[in-house]
Order: sequence, then structure tokens, then C-alpha cells
Amino acid sequence: DAGVTQSPTHLIKTRGQHVTLRCSPISGHKSVSWYQQVLGQGPQFIFQYYEKEERGRGNFPDRFSARQFPNYSSELNVNALLLGDSALYLCASSGGGRTYNEQFFGPGTRLTVL
Amino acid sequence: RKEVEQDPGPFNVPEGATVAFNCTYSNSASQSFFWYRQDCRKEPKLLMSVYSSGNEDGRFTAQLNRASQYISLLIRDSKLSDSATYLCVVNPPGGSYIPTFGRGTSLIVHP
Repeated sequence: DAGVTQSPTHLIKTRGQHVTLRCSPISGHKSVSWYQQVLGQGPQFIFQYYEKEERGRGNFPDRFSARQFPNYSSELNVNALLLGDSALYLCASSGGGRTYNEQFFGPGTRLTVL
Repeated sequence: RKEVEQDPGPFNVPEGATVAFNCTYSNSASQSFFWYRQDCRKEPKLLMSVYSSGNEDGRFTAQLNRASQYISLLIRDSKLSDSATYLCVVNPPGGSYIPTFGRGTSLIVHP
């Protein structure tokens, strides 16, 4: 079975631009979460979506937004990019039931803002 | 106090050694706990869940101490391939979907 997939794998943008990152969860998983990870730190939670509804939002500015589609894939959008947005953006999917909190990560999108 | 704290290390141990990491958390109502492993420039991979009764998987043992608000990960008979960063994750009480990762503990196993 395919795991979580993310695109693109790498991206270089300049300050002020906008970026869209994409994620496809494991087949059968209805929940997708987004994380930002900078070097030397653990992943920081940005959003979680379940059945197309936002379930949780971390402490990120409104420049960050996301959505989930009927096929459970998801997009993360970041507007007005800042140098500090350079990071690895991770998507994680999880299933329902008692394992709903066990998350499986995609390989990430490495974003560099110049 | 940070929500989730881990000693960043690195823990430098020889092959065959036993090593243990702790992860403390501040919210006493936290409900579920996990350990993830992350190799350099790769995504985190779920290592094991941490149950109240403890959890063992081969050379790995995870335990939860609610009274002192920490979880632990014990690795026995360390292998070179165990070298990685180990991240703990703490999930808040039901209704608040904001999991918190620690910054990770770096383990280096040398020959």
C-alpha cells in the first residue's frame, strides 16, 4: 500500500510569494495534519483536518491556511512568505477508531524562502 | 515550563549498551503518548505507542509515569542502526487536537 505522499519535494520561493503544498493520505485514512519542522526542533503542529472539517489549529499566523478535499487529500497554503517560513513541511495521516492518534508521516516538502 | 521537554543529547553509546530517554510533559490531563524515530533529513516514523501499563516491542520498552508526568523509552542491546533522533509526542485531552512534539533526543551508537 502507498504511504503518505507529498508534493513537491523541494521548493524555492522568494519573500512575499505564495506557496501551495499538497498531501495525499494513506488509503482509508480520513484525517490529515500539517506540521512545520525547523532544523534542530520537533515538528510544530499547524492544522488537523478530519472529514473536510478543521479539527485543530496550532499557533501560526493567518497567512497559513489549509483545506481538505472529498478524497481526503489536503493542501497547505502560505501567503506572503517570510524568510522564517523556510522549513520542512510534513503531512501526516491517521485512521479512525482507537488508532486515530497514531500518525503516519509523508516525506515532507522542504521549502526555502530567499 | 515547556509543554513537552526532552534532553536533546546527543547520547553517545557503544553497540550493545542499554540507553534510556525521558520526556516530561506539563499537562496532567494529557491522554495519549507516542515515541517516533526520525533519521537525518527524513520524516518521523512511529516507533511505539505508550500505554499506561507499559509497552514492549523487541528491544524497545516504553513506559508512562503519570504521577511524575513523564514517559520513557528504553533501548536494550543498541545497534548501529538505532542511531537517530527520538521524538516524544503528547496528545491533549479529548476535544483538543493539538499534539505536541518534543524537540527530540539524538542517539549515536558507535562500534
